[in-house]
Order: sequence, then structure tokens, then C-alpha cells
Amino acid sequence: DAGVTQSPTHLIKTRGQQVTLRCSPISGHKSVSWYQQVLGQGPQFIFQYYEKEERGRGNFPDRFSARQFPNYSSELNVNALLLGDSALYLCASSLVRQSVGNEQFFGPGTRLTVL
Amino acid sequence: DQQVKQNSPSLSVQEGRISILNCDYTNSMFDYFLWYKKYPAEGPTFLISISSIKDKNEDGRFTVFLNKSAKHLSLHIVPSQPGDSAVYFCAASLNNLFFGTGTRLTVIP
Repeated sequence: DAGVTQSPTHLIKTRGQQVTLRCSPISGHKSVSWYQQVLGQGPQFIFQYYEKEERGRGNFPDRFSARQFPNYSSELNVNALLLGDSALYLCASSLVRQSVGNEQFFGPGTRLTVL
Repeated sequence: DQQVKQNSPSLSVQEGRISILNCDYTNSMFDYFLWYKKYPAEGPTFLISISSIKDKNEDGRFTVFLNKSAKHLSLHIVPSQPGDSAVYFCAASLNNLFFGTGTRLTVIP
């Protein structure tokens, strides 16, 4: 079975642009969470979606948005990119909404560079 | 506001010896604590977890200890192997995961 997949692998944008990152969860998983990992830091929670509804949001500005589709795949959108948005963006999927962490499976991430 | 902290950015250990990775947290409401392992170009993979009502959980070479009064947990790897070389993240769960900054473990053959 395929694990969590994310696209693209790498992305380079300039300040002020908009970006869309994509995630496909493990088959049968209904929950998708997004994390931002800045160089030298641990992953920081951005959003959780379960059954196509937002179930949790971290401390990120409104420039960050996401959605989940009927097939449970998800997109993360970031508008008006800033240099500080350069990071590895990780997607994690799980079967259930209230994951205790060990049920979350991470994708390899999308490396976003903002110039 | 870093609620989960790993104060050692790196650790080097000889193969066969014990590796001890430490983690401190500030929020007493966390209900689960986890360790993730991350190789370059891969996402974090779950290693071991412990409920906040336990003080020890063991899985093969990996043991996690929780000291709630000190708000401290540690991961022991015995014996350490070169394949254990990776970045280890401590995480705490409260609706979602709060990660530490990671410790890079190098096991020297």
C-alpha cells in the first residue's frame, strides 16, 4: 500500500506569490494534518481536516488555508508568501480524528523556498 | 512559546552503548508523549509513545521514561546501532502534536 504522498517535492517561489501544496493520505485514512518545519526547528501544527471539515488550527495567519476533498486528499494554500514561509511542509494522515500521535503517518514533505 | 523542548541538538554514541535522548515540556495537560525518528528526505516515523498515566514503556531496544513531576521524558536506546543515526523528535499530544526541536543522534561504528 502506498504511504502518504505529497507534491511537489520542491518548490521555489518569490515573495508575494501564492502556492498550493498537495497531499494524498493513506487509503482509508480520513484525517489529514499539515505541519510546517522551519530549518532547525520541529514540525509545527498548521491544520487538521477530518471528513472534509476543519477540526483544528494552529497559530498561523489567515494567509494559510486548506481544504479536504471528497477523496480525502488535501491542499494547503499560502497567499502573499514571505521569506519566513520557507520551510518543509509535512502532511500526516490518520484513520481517526482524535489521533494520539502514533496513528499519524507522515509524508516526505514539500520543500518550499521563498526568494 | 515552545511547550516541548529538546536542549541537546546533537549526541554521539559508540555502537553498542546506550543512547539517552532528553525532552522537557511545560504543559501538564498533555495526555500522550511520543518519539519520532526522521531520516533526511523522509517524513518523521513513529517510534514509541507513552501515556501520561504511565512512567515507562518498552519496545525492544527502545524505552521511554516519563517523570511527570519534573515534566521530563527520555528515550533510551540499548544497544545503539549505526542504523539508529537520525534526528529524533520528542512530541506531546493535546488534540494535536507539539514537537521539540530535535536531537541529531550519531552512532559511531
